[in-house]
Amino acid sequence: AQSVTQLGSHVSVSEGALVLLRCNYSSSVPPYLFWYVQYPNQGLQLLLKYTSAATLVKGINGFEAEFKKSETSFHLTKPSAHMSDAAEYFCARRDSSYKLIFGSGTRLLVRP
Amino acid sequence: DVKVTQSSRYLVKRTGEKVFLECVQDMDHENMFWYRQDPGLGLRLIYFSYDVKMKEKGDIPEGYSVSREKKERFSLILESASTNQTSMYLCASSPPDRPNTEAFFGQGTRLTVV
Repeated sequence: AQSVTQLGSHVSVSEGALVLLRCNYSSSVPPYLFWYVQYPNQGLQLLLKYTSAATLVKGINGFEAEFKKSETSFHLTKPSAHMSDAAEYFCARRDSSYKLIFGSGTRLLVRP
Repeated sequence: DVKVTQSSRYLVKRTGEKVFLECVQDMDHENMFWYRQDPGLGLRLIYFSYDVKMKEKGDIPEGYSVSREKKERFSLILESASTNQTSMYLCASSPPDRPNTEAFFGQGTRLTVV
């Protein structure tokens, strides 16, 4: 079955450090990929999306992600973590249908 | 901005009750979804609808039903609530037939069944 795998249910970084959240997908065709963020007791907000126009995608709040077909990955990065980045992050994919398939999520903790 | 509104942020219901979760979107989207979110499991699709009165089962439809009588409204129904349905429920909507567009989410309803 086509799926999305997020490595690490929890990631902890110091404020100012690099953020790297990992996402791998399985698909026989190029997928449409998304990163969403969820702050406590909130719904999901789109961070960025890959739509095949460019392999490096820039999103809101300084986040970006790079699509690597050879590695079937779409990892999320941010050069310098801020306390306000503490949240849960979800990678998702949509293929030829209109359904979104989500990974299990990664909770980002930012230490002062 | 697209707005997806869920009628309740928090609900507490008793085992065996019939529970209705309501969702309304204001962007004339054809597609609407109900997801369930549990720690460590991410979001799992319960049902989705691609048009009025049209619905399809998602990955975990057991114990749930849905209703879409109007384009803007998508209801999730728990026919007889059970404690294992205690969870966060998220509604979403998206435009049709364009897989590169994102889904827009409501704020979620945290349901507790006692």
